[in-house]
Amino acid sequence: DAGVIQSPRHEVTEMGQEVTLRCKPISGHDYLFWYRQTMMRGLELLIYFNNNVPIDDSGMPEDRFSAKMPNASFSTLKIQPSEPRDSAVYFCASSPSQGVETFFGQGTRLTVV
Amino acid sequence: AQSVTQLGSHVSVSEGALVLLRCNYSSSVPPYLFWYVQYPNQGLQLLLKYTSAATLVKGINGFEAEFKKSETSFHLTKPSAHMSDAAEYFCAVSDGGSNYKLTFGKGTLLTVNP
Repeated sequence: DAGVIQSPRHEVTEMGQEVTLRCKPISGHDYLFWYRQTMMRGLELLIYFNNNVPIDDSGMPEDRFSAKMPNASFSTLKIQPSEPRDSAVYFCASSPSQGVETFFGQGTRLTVV
Repeated sequence: AQSVTQLGSHVSVSEGALVLLRCNYSSSVPPYLFWYVQYPNQGLQLLLKYTSAATLVKGINGFEAEFKKSETSFHLTKPSAHMSDAAEYFCAVSDGGSNYKLTFGKGTLLTVNP
């Protein structure tokens, strides 16, 4: 398996633009997570899905952030409009129901200028 | 609510020396505990995990950790550091329930000096 695949790896955008981050989880995994990593706050869980259904979005910072999982093999995290304080590394991760290990993608480094 | 505290944001050791990275947790239910490693510009990779079985857990690359309930600790150790161990290390806790969302510590950057 290729692991969790995220795209793009790097994104530079101007303030006010819409940004869409993409994730393909490991096939067969029932859980999908979006994390954000910053120097100030460390790793934070933004939202997670179980069987494509959002279960807990309490970590989503504000209404500018939205996430979808239209099918078992694809998820998006959208920021609209983006702001400089959204600059961070965003990780997608997935895990199977039967196991306890969470597998992380390589992350998308977002810079909003 | 769960929380993780990693003592020391930066630890520096000499090659061949003992590595000790500290982690204390808070959890209202029996926890599952994890150590992850992150190399520069990479995602997180699982080193080892504790899931209520043996309290001494062995992981990859010669690392191990011991779960001590009385001390609410899960410190990571390696007897002899290698240059390739230089990375950032994260301790994490989950409640072991039907969801596996992780609460992470702030991380410890390990530097290995020749």
